[in-house]
Amino acid sequence: AQSVAQPEDQVNVAEGNPLTVKCTYSVSGNPYLFWYVQYPNRGLQFLLKYITGDNLVKGSYGFEAEFNKSQTSFHLKKPSALVSDSALYFCAVRDPQDRGSTLGRLYFGRGTQLTVWP
Amino acid sequence: DTEVTQTPKHLVMGMTNKKSLKCEQHMGHRAMYWYKQKAKKPPELMFVYSYEKLSINESVPSRFSPECPNSSLLNLHLHALQPEDSALYLCASSQEEGSYEQYFGPGTRLTVT
Repeated sequence: AQSVAQPEDQVNVAEGNPLTVKCTYSVSGNPYLFWYVQYPNRGLQFLLKYITGDNLVKGSYGFEAEFNKSQTSFHLKKPSALVSDSALYFCAVRDPQDRGSTLGRLYFGRGTQLTVWP
Repeated sequence: DTEVTQTPKHLVMGMTNKKSLKCEQHMGHRAMYWYKQKAKKPPELMFVYSYEKLSINESVPSRFSPECPNSSLLNLHLHALQPEDSALYLCASSQEEGSYEQYFGPGTRLTVT
């Protein structure tokens, strides 16, 4: 079975400090991993993805994520947080060995609310 | 153009009404999706269309009826909804169903009274 865990409902960080939003996953095959961000009353915006290759993936707005196969993690990071980064962040996984995934199903984590205070 | 548009932005309807949500993309994507999202929760997949054919129906009640008239358009017809159907309805698209990232529209905020 496929699953994604975001262990923190809420992450608070001061502006200018580094931020980390955690994500761990469970799939039967090699995962395709994604991060999305959602601002209030908006749709989800794609931030970055890991499919294969370099374990460190760089994405939009200065975000990056590191794929760690041994720890089955894909944590989202940013070296210096901005107040405007405050939003709801979702990690998602697709398992190429899962028929549902090949038909388009994404498995989402429950989301982490990031608050960056000035 | 990497935009998915959705209309209307807000919709209030009674339980006996019939209404439709509309989604449009001009990125040449061949897969389109409907999601339902409750506040502070992850999106829940409802339907997937691939090449204008329905490929996933996540056991959605028949009061929700999807339609894909062409590769750029996706509709969701609503009839006899319940108050618990009130939510943000998101449309998304991707190059193909097995493709990587999905691009989401801004959503329609639906309230059923």
